[in-house]
Order: sequence, then C-alpha cells, then structure tokens
Amino acid sequence: DAGITQSPRHKVTETGTPVTLRCHQTENHRYMYWYRQDPGHGLRLIHYSYGVKDTDKGEVSDGYSVSRSKTEDFLLTLESATSSQTSVYFCAISEGLAGAYTQYFGPGTRLTVL
Amino acid sequence: KQEVTQIPAALSVPEGENLVLNCSFTDSAIYNLQWFRQDPGKGLTSLLLIQSSQREQTSGRLNASLDKSSGRSTLYIAASQPGDSATYLCAVGFNTGKLIFGQGTTLQVKP
Repeated sequence: DAGITQSPRHKVTETGTPVTLRCHQTENHRYMYWYRQDPGHGLRLIHYSYGVKDTDKGEVSDGYSVSRSKTEDFLLTLESATSSQTSVYFCAISEGLAGAYTQYFGPGTRLTVL
Repeated sequence: KQEVTQIPAALSVPEGENLVLNCSFTDSAIYNLQWFRQDPGKGLTSLLLIQSSQREQTSGRLNASLDKSSGRSTLYIAASQPGDSATYLCAVGFNTGKLIFGQGTTLQVKP
C-alpha cells in the first residue's frame, strides 16, 4: 500500500466551526488531491496540488481551502463547516498528473457536520 | 461536461461466473481510463490503467478494454470469487490532470 495517512479518521463537528483535515504521504509524490465521496455523486475533486505551495481548484471547491507547505503534507480546511459538507473525504497522490499516472488513495476521513 | 456512467449499479453473481462491468463516458478526448476497487469503509485501490492509445490491459483475472470512439470501457472478471465482492469504479483522466469518476458498480459474489 502507498504510504498515505489521513487524520482524523472520523470527526463530528457543529455548523459554523472551522475544520482541518490532514493528508500525509511518505512516497515523495509531487501531486496530491482532495476528493469528497457522496451517495449519488460519486467521487468529486475539491482541490489538488502540483507542488509545494502550488494548488488549483477542482469541481467542488467552494467552501474549502487548501495548503501545502511541505511535499509530504496537504491540508484541507473548511473555514465554516456546513451540513452540506458532511461527507467522506479522500486524499490521493500520484507521481505525475492524475490523467496520466495511477492515483493512490488514503483510507478516508468521515466528517459529520451537525 | 464530461459524464461517466456505470451500469449496472449493483450486480450479484454466483462464485465462478465470468462477468463484465460497463463504463461509458461522453467526451472521447480522454488521456486514459482507470479502474479502481473500493471495499466498504476503505479507500480506492487502483486495478488497471489504460492509456488512450491502448485498447486493453490485463492483470491476473482482470481484463479492461477501452473503445474511445464509442466512449466505452469494460472490466472483465474471470472466474469470480467471493473476495472480488466490492465496488468497482471507473475514472477517465485528462491531460489537465483531473479524473472524473463514475458512481460505481457494487458487486457481490456469492459462495
């Protein structure tokens, strides 16, 4: 298995509170991604990073921000959590662009916003 | 907008059967297509990656085909086993680096 960990694995929070999810990799891959998975919608890309301090938006980026200060860490922040952000969040990594290289996924974080 | 559709949404077969999972996509200008497996409560595991210039890839009992012109891919599983029970997702990749996922087919292989 690729060396990807996500923390926390489970979190329950209240509407309006800030939340930060962490993805950590030991593979030294350049690209890192945050997805959310919801019934009826499948997996959707939130943000991705193509290097330290280099990030770009995905298809469902509203309400989320990201940061990458080190190759191994990619943080996803919900500035003010809403119930619509209740979901399972997956981090993924790849050596190159996801369109050309295999993506490896972390175990996921289940977030519930009450 | 690129859409990826997987049919059927769920499938139940007896052990030993050969089966085919289907994936269709609307935009044929893809860079590659990938098949993933997801076990309940787990992340995704990559099974096969087919480049746009290829027509198929094989790994063990799995064979994936790609027909860009018709916007279709199939995942063939030979001699299915209970351990194959999982959700299978296909995803199309673009040279922008993005993947678009289908919603998956949930497979149950009964002993």
